[in-house]
Amino acid sequence: GENVEQHPSTLSVQEGDSAVIKCTYSDSASNYFPWYKQELGKRPQLIIDIRSNVGEKKDQRIAVTLNKTAKHFSLHITETQPEDSAVYFCAARDSGTYKYIFGTGTRLKVLA
Amino acid sequence: NAGVTQTPKFQVLKTGQSMTLQCAQDMNHEYMSWYRQDPGMGLRLIHYSVGAGITDQGEVPNGYNVSRSTTEDFPLRLLSAAPSQTSVYFCASSPTGSDEKLFFGSGTQLSVL
Repeated sequence: GENVEQHPSTLSVQEGDSAVIKCTYSDSASNYFPWYKQELGKRPQLIIDIRSNVGEKKDQRIAVTLNKTAKHFSLHITETQPEDSAVYFCAARDSGTYKYIFGTGTRLKVLA
Repeated sequence: NAGVTQTPKFQVLKTGQSMTLQCAQDMNHEYMSWYRQDPGMGLRLIHYSVGAGITDQGEVPNGYNVSRSTTEDFPLRLLSAAPSQTSVYFCASSPTGSDEKLFFGSGTQLSVL
């Protein structure tokens, strides 16, 4: 079955710097890759997603890149702000079963 | 639309007790799923369903049962609770078509003593 690995587990950056979180997946049948942000005590919220027929997608300060050949995708946050501090999860969705498998999460701390 | 509704928000059980976590969605989503979230372990898939009458196991199904008698509801049953099942449980749903976005419920904090 699908396995999603996520690195790093924790990341501290200075306010204004960029943050990059990386994920790899194992199943070539996966075709949809969302990223979720989870604040303490809250439910995960979708922040950006990418489909397998697209290499890059950007939404203001966040972007996601996908390398299908290498089976890895990354989240990029530029000009980080204290409110970006949260846990971020990547996921991969299997095109046949529709199930979503998540990475283990990255705790991002933006230091003011 | 209410989205994905989970009940209860908090629950304390004794070892060996049984209970059902409720999940309902009003978006006509075919796909529904249950995850458990433990520190450092991310969101692990327990069971999922792609439509009424269809269920399948996820990554950590042992100790849990599910059924899907309607499109809207996907309850999760713990038949004999164990301390290892102490966790935060999330229900999530999505369409199975081209709009794949997965929506989460607000979660259930379960403690098994």
